[in-house]
Amino acid sequence: SQTIHQWPATLVQPVGSPLSLECTVEGTSNPNLYWYRQAAGRGLQLLFYSVGIGQISSEVPQNLSASRPQDRQFILSSKKLLLSDSGFYLCAWSAKTGGKGYTFGSGTRLTVV
Amino acid sequence: DAKTTQPTSMDCAEGRAANLPCNHSTISGNEYVYWYRQIHSQGPQYIIHGLKNNETNEMASLIITEDRKSSTLILPHATLRDTAVYYCIVRGLDSWGKLQFGAGTQVVVTP
Repeated sequence: SQTIHQWPATLVQPVGSPLSLECTVEGTSNPNLYWYRQAAGRGLQLLFYSVGIGQISSEVPQNLSASRPQDRQFILSSKKLLLSDSGFYLCAWSAKTGGKGYTFGSGTRLTVV
Repeated sequence: DAKTTQPTSMDCAEGRAANLPCNHSTISGNEYVYWYRQIHSQGPQYIIHGLKNNETNEMASLIITEDRKSSTLILPHATLRDTAVYYCIVRGLDSWGKLQFGAGTQVVVTP
């Protein structure tokens, strides 16, 4: 069966520090991968999606970047965190064709102080 | 993808059926209706999806009107663990598919 792993679960980082969140998927190949963010009390915002290795599309301009160095690995990064980067970050995957939609990871709660 | 409209919140008594409405009047012929839910501090969880026929699985039933302009998610016997935000999303099935979440409906199941 397919599983998605996301870590760390919680993170507290000072303003101006770098960020690296990692997401890996097991049990499937060539998935679509996604990064979402949810600010406190707000809805889910799609940040990046990827349909293949090295293929990244950004949905909103921001202080973050994403990379997909391997088929089932998706990384969210920042060189210098801002207070506004605080939030709940979720990674998700979906198969290329239809099916049950998306499967989400358990999320990383990032607090920038 | 077509937009959806859902009530902001609704309450449901434990053990009773919860009927969650969703309007998607601009849905196109190749777009599916998906339902997800998000329990507090967790990632969204897939519930069910459908195109035009009614669907049922172990979690819920999905009723889609004949004109496909609205749908209802039915939780047959709500439990306290069903308290969550429920999202109705319309999207096409393509390799670039991106789920865009709206505000959803906050469902509170009370004893």
